[in-house]
Amino acid sequence: AQKVTQAQTEISVVEKEDVTLDCVYETRDTTYYLFWYKQPPSGELVFLIRRNSFDEQNEISGRYSWNFQKSTSSFNFTITASQVVDSAVYFCALSDANTGNQFYFGTGTSLTVIP
Amino acid sequence: EPEVTQTPSHQVTQMGQEVILRCVPISNHLYFYWYRQILGQKVEFLVSFYNNEISEKSEIFDDQFSVERPDGSNFTLKIRSTKLEDSAMYFCASRSRWDRGEQYFGPGTRLTVT
Repeated sequence: AQKVTQAQTEISVVEKEDVTLDCVYETRDTTYYLFWYKQPPSGELVFLIRRNSFDEQNEISGRYSWNFQKSTSSFNFTITASQVVDSAVYFCALSDANTGNQFYFGTGTSLTVIP
Repeated sequence: EPEVTQTPSHQVTQMGQEVILRCVPISNHLYFYWYRQILGQKVEFLVSFYNNEISEKSEIFDDQFSVERPDGSNFTLKIRSTKLEDSAMYFCASRSRWDRGEQYFGPGTRLTVT
């Protein structure tokens, strides 16, 4: 069965520190997609990144970077030089290409960046 | 850039009342979804809809729930007789026929049942 685990429930860091949010997934499918979403206090889901199962290249976008490792079924997200505006709940999600594409979300990691 | 819209942004209703949550998916999308997020919890899949019928639904989506695409633009979620535990944020999402990997989420409707 498909499952996403975000073991870190809450993380607090001081501004300018780096922080890594962990995501481990389970799926039997060979073709799937992984996502990260940010949910600020206003509640909307802000898309950050999508990765498909064939693309294991790491990606960097400004202060954000993602490390996808199929061997360990992990898709971790690092924020470099964190800022107060990064405070939010971050969700990792899995969608498989062969069973309707519903999203399976993790339980989220609440990140607080302290000024 | 096209986006998914949802109305209302916040709905307050009394237990036992019927509510209809509305979504306007992106215009050329063919697959539609509803998700629910109880406060402080994860986002959970409710139902997917394609070609005017439900393609998949979760255990949460019981007989109290229904979905409809009444015209060419709207996609609605109806809860027939709301319960306190239906209080949650409801997200609509849509995707195109061509991109199996991407769903575009609306901003959500916060439903409060009193």
